[in-house]
Amino acid sequence: EAEVAQSPRYKITEKSQAVAFWCDPISGHATLYWYRQILGQGPELLVQFQDESVVDDSQLPKDRFSAERLKGVDSTLKIQPAELGDSAMYLCASSSQSQNTEAFFGQGTRLTVV
Amino acid sequence: AQSVAQPEDQVNVAEGNPLTVKCTYSVSGNPYLFWYVQYPNRGLQFLLKYITGDNLVKGSYGFEAEFNKSQTSFHLKKPSALVSDSALYFCAVRDPTNAGKSTFGDGTTLTVKP
Repeated sequence: EAEVAQSPRYKITEKSQAVAFWCDPISGHATLYWYRQILGQGPELLVQFQDESVVDDSQLPKDRFSAERLKGVDSTLKIQPAELGDSAMYLCASSSQSQNTEAFFGQGTRLTVV
Repeated sequence: AQSVAQPEDQVNVAEGNPLTVKCTYSVSGNPYLFWYVQYPNRGLQFLLKYITGDNLVKGSYGFEAEFNKSQTSFHLKKPSALVSDSALYFCAVRDPTNAGKSTFGDGTTLTVKP
């Protein structure tokens, strides 16, 4: 069964350092999402891509976060500089182009900023 | 703005008893509604969705949900709970008129006791 791949699974970084996460969606899925999930809360959308274009990044802290999906396939989310409050689970998901389809989630990257 | 409320942080049921996990939503247009389940340190897994048509939808692992437009609710149900159903459950709403942006509730922890 096809899966959304994310790496790394776990990341510990010091504050003010740069950190990057990678996501490879299910083949053929045009829509890719990055979510941040803080413990005890639901996933919060950071950025949504349709192919290589950003559809929604209204909740992305653009002073420190950036995301790209250059060829419309895999994607990278970067934080620079990391802050203590960035500690969370970062989830990548993908879906087919139709809006009535469900999203398929990766296992996530657990980020701890110390 | 669209929103989702899961009024119960925790639901406890005995194995074999019916379970209900509640969800209410707010969205400007006709909603697409989803339920996902999350196991510890894992990404979210899709359970079921309502797009249009029959208000009662059936999904994976014997779960079902009923869409009630007048009460703006989409409660998750199962006739007979299993210990293995213990997990964190998220309701999500997608507004197809808002670039398909999804909003998640904060989740409900379901504990099924033997």
